[in-house]
Amino acid sequence: DGGITQSPKYLFRKEGQNVTLSCEQNLNHDAMYWYRQDPGQGLRLIYYSQIVNDFQKGDIAEGYSVSREKKESFPLTVTSAQKNPTAFYLCASSIFGQNQPQHFGDGTRLSIL
Amino acid sequence: GQQVMQIPQYQHVQEGEDFTTYCNSSTTLSNIQWYKQRPGGHPVFLIQLVKSGEVKKQKRLTFQFGEAKKNSSLHITATQTTDVGTYFCAGARMEYGNKLVFGAGTILRVKS
Repeated sequence: DGGITQSPKYLFRKEGQNVTLSCEQNLNHDAMYWYRQDPGQGLRLIYYSQIVNDFQKGDIAEGYSVSREKKESFPLTVTSAQKNPTAFYLCASSIFGQNQPQHFGDGTRLSIL
Repeated sequence: GQQVMQIPQYQHVQEGEDFTTYCNSSTTLSNIQWYKQRPGGHPVFLIQLVKSGEVKKQKRLTFQFGEAKKNSSLHITATQTTDVGTYFCAGARMEYGNKLVFGAGTILRVKS
């Protein structure tokens, strides 16, 4: 079955450590996205990539970094510079172009101890 | 920047009652999409509206896109317990490609 796989489902890290969240898709989608979800605030875009080896900052990119070396993979690193990293992180993908629905993974819940 | 406001934030209805959530954008949208997120789950695409004044129906769900393409609504007729979850609208602007701006969502709870 095609889909988006995020791992792990839950992640705990000590303050000051960088942590990388995995996102893999086998839908052959060109575009991939990372969102952060906090209670009462909906989904906020962190980074997105429309093609391999290219990505753009979203609305809340500070303290995060990404790479897009393969079409299938779009890992997100939460760095120690992110002031409030505890949140639910969602990865999504879509066909490139206008008016395309996004398909979401199951998410990773990150908690900083 | 672009904002999409969604109201109400929360609604608790008796099973069988109707439910409506509204979205308003500060700018004209090229399209608006609606997603549903069940408790503990991830957002799932429901529908997309592209044309001014467009109305689409999916069984008990009716989606509307305003004439000015700045607002949208989702109406559920005769809610059921399976309708519980958070409903998000997400707007796109042509100059931003497929980048979506999500509303904060409306949490729907249904009492049986």
